Amino acid sequence: DSGVTQTPKHLITATGQRVTLRCSPRSGDLSVYWYQQSLDQGLQFLIQYYNGEERAKGNILERFSAQQFPDLHSELNLSSLELGDSALYFCASSGGGTLHYGYTFGSGTRLTVV
Amino acid sequence: AQSVTQLGSHVSVSEGALVLLRCNYSSSVPPYLFWYVQYPNQGLQLLLKYTTGATLVKGINGFEAEFKKSETSFHLTKPSANRSDAAEYFCAVSEGTNFGNEKLTFGTGTRLTIIP
Repeated sequence: DSGVTQTPKHLITATGQRVTLRCSPRSGDLSVYWYQQSLDQGLQFLIQYYNGEERAKGNILERFSAQQFPDLHSELNLSSLELGDSALYFCASSGGGTLHYGYTFGSGTRLTVV
Repeated sequence: AQSVTQLGSHVSVSEGALVLLRCNYSSSVPPYLFWYVQYPNQGLQLLLKYTTGATLVKGINGFEAEFKKSETSFHLTKPSANRSDAAEYFCAVSEGTNFGNEKLTFGTGTRLTIIP
């Protein structure tokens, strides 16, 4: 157990639908990162939050959004889903202010859009 | 902008042989460098990291890597491969040492197969 909790582990949904992925960071970590892993794109950085504020944005589609709540858990919302959104979505956390200890990853949510 | 190149998407080695996974990076500032391992159906686990100081870093499971600034490389090695080392390995770089902004850029990964 890495200490980063992601739910659900698996999600199957239809095109056009909306889903929410949840992440609880490791205790004490203030930064949360979302990554998408697909066979053709590899690991793509989506977005980072630090202590409730958006800090960095990567290749995140406009149909996707995220937020970090006061208790530091984060949610990634994916809407108007397309077949190409099928992927593994990872959340990671770090202490914030330094990458000296690297990221800690959750076990991911596998999203299948049918 | 930072980037990472992993040479060889697939590497096969015999059990007991040397493991060498190659990683070259591009960074406009002194980088932080990482190797992660991903076993099937699992998340990524930190193997080792270089931030500052000694350029030869040791990680878990007998792996080590050497930061060579002149070659912009951070190759991962292990003297003797075990069957349990079969996994996908990712090299990553960060330039984001600004407080609260520590984006990691990952390479495309190298799948390591161990031949019995």
